[in-house]
Amino acid sequence: GQNIDQPTEMTATEGAIVQINCTYQTSGFNGLFWYQQHAGEAPTFLSYNVLDGLEEKGRFSSFLSRSKGYSYLLLKELQMKDSASYLCASNTGFQKLVFGTGTRLLVSP
Amino acid sequence: DTEVTQTPKHLVMGMTNKKSLKCEQHMGHRAMYWYKQKAKKPPELMFVYSYEKLSINESVPSRFSPECPNSSLLNLHLHALQPEDSALYLCASSRGGSTEAFFGQGTRLTVV
Repeated sequence: GQNIDQPTEMTATEGAIVQINCTYQTSGFNGLFWYQQHAGEAPTFLSYNVLDGLEEKGRFSSFLSRSKGYSYLLLKELQMKDSASYLCASNTGFQKLVFGTGTRLLVSP
Repeated sequence: DTEVTQTPKHLVMGMTNKKSLKCEQHMGHRAMYWYKQKAKKPPELMFVYSYEKLSINESVPSRFSPECPNSSLLNLHLHALQPEDSALYLCASSRGGSTEAFFGQGTRLTVV
């Protein structure tokens, strides 16, 4: 079975740092993706982790622990435009990408 | 060109209608996907095509019929849908393997 959990909603202030957690239990695992989705728009790719550790990309970083089935997305220097849904997704093999429950992030001034 | 193009953007159809959703990419990607997304929910995988062959069908009802005419095109044929099928239908493509998927803007479908 596939089980990928995230907090439903988070709020943060402009300029702050926020960490969005994702725990997963999937029947196969070929890596963990993070996507951003603004309301009414397509998901856009943010990051990919397949090995344990931290991947940094500008204001966004993503961490993976395969032994713990755990990942997080770290957003620094938050901006109003970062208000969106953040989706973690597990590649469970054979090009199958399964999305987590999604986290709605609201950034306030 | 890093775009996945979906048409139409919006579609309203009756329960007895037959319609098709179209998806196109010119990135040379060999994997293409259909996802269904309800409001405030994550995308749910429906179908995966790999090298123009259907590789995954997530137990989708037969009123949804996918088709991959060539490596750039993906269709989703709709027939006898129910109001609960109203959702955003997203197409995506990837190089395959563990590479990221690129999503189209979606077709917002309303079944009346």
